[in-house]
Amino acid sequence: GDSVTQMEGPVTLSEEAFLTINCTYTATGYPSLFWYVQYPGEGLQLLLKATKADDKGSNKGFEATYRKETTSFHLEKGSVQVSDSAVYFCALRSEAGTALIFGKGTTLSVSS
Amino acid sequence: EAGVVQSPRYKIIEKKQPVAFWCNPISGHNTLYWYLQNLGQGPELLIRYENEEAVDDSQLPKDRFSAERLKGVDSTLKIQPAELGDSAVYLCASSLSSGSYNEQFFGPGTRLTVL
Repeated sequence: GDSVTQMEGPVTLSEEAFLTINCTYTATGYPSLFWYVQYPGEGLQLLLKATKADDKGSNKGFEATYRKETTSFHLEKGSVQVSDSAVYFCALRSEAGTALIFGKGTTLSVSS
Repeated sequence: EAGVVQSPRYKIIEKKQPVAFWCNPISGHNTLYWYLQNLGQGPELLIRYENEEAVDDSQLPKDRFSAERLKGVDSTLKIQPAELGDSAVYLCASSLSSGSYNEQFFGPGTRLTVL
């Protein structure tokens, strides 16, 4: 079945460091891909998405490119801030499906 | 605009007791989802409603879990009786419809602890 694998955390960075969180997926066809963020005490929020191969999703300085050839959707940010500390989830929704399938989440901690 | 509302935010019960969670989706959203999030894991779908109809409940453990969305608006998820392994966060989400282009909006979740 469809699945998402993302890098284990926690990821600990200093402010202004470069961030990469790896995400790979297994799915038939052309799923839509998402990154969600969960700040402490809050619900999941959609960070960015891409719906077809080579699409780049971007928001709040974060980017991720849908790579069909490597079945990947890695999250990147050039300069992280303390306020980016949160749990990040990679997710997919298959062409036929409606429910989201999530990875296990990666905790990011940014210190000043 | 109000987001997805869930209550209670936290619940602690003894095993074998019943428990219920309530969700009010964003106004106008026809599709409602309940997800289960175990510690250190991503959310997993339990049930999806289109208006008042449960259209995907294949992952709902029906021996002890039940859900309803009687008027196609708010929804209740119940566990009876609760087991230790049910300790988790229960998330509710809603979207305009189930189309793949519709964003799912999540509530803050209910954290259940079963002692």
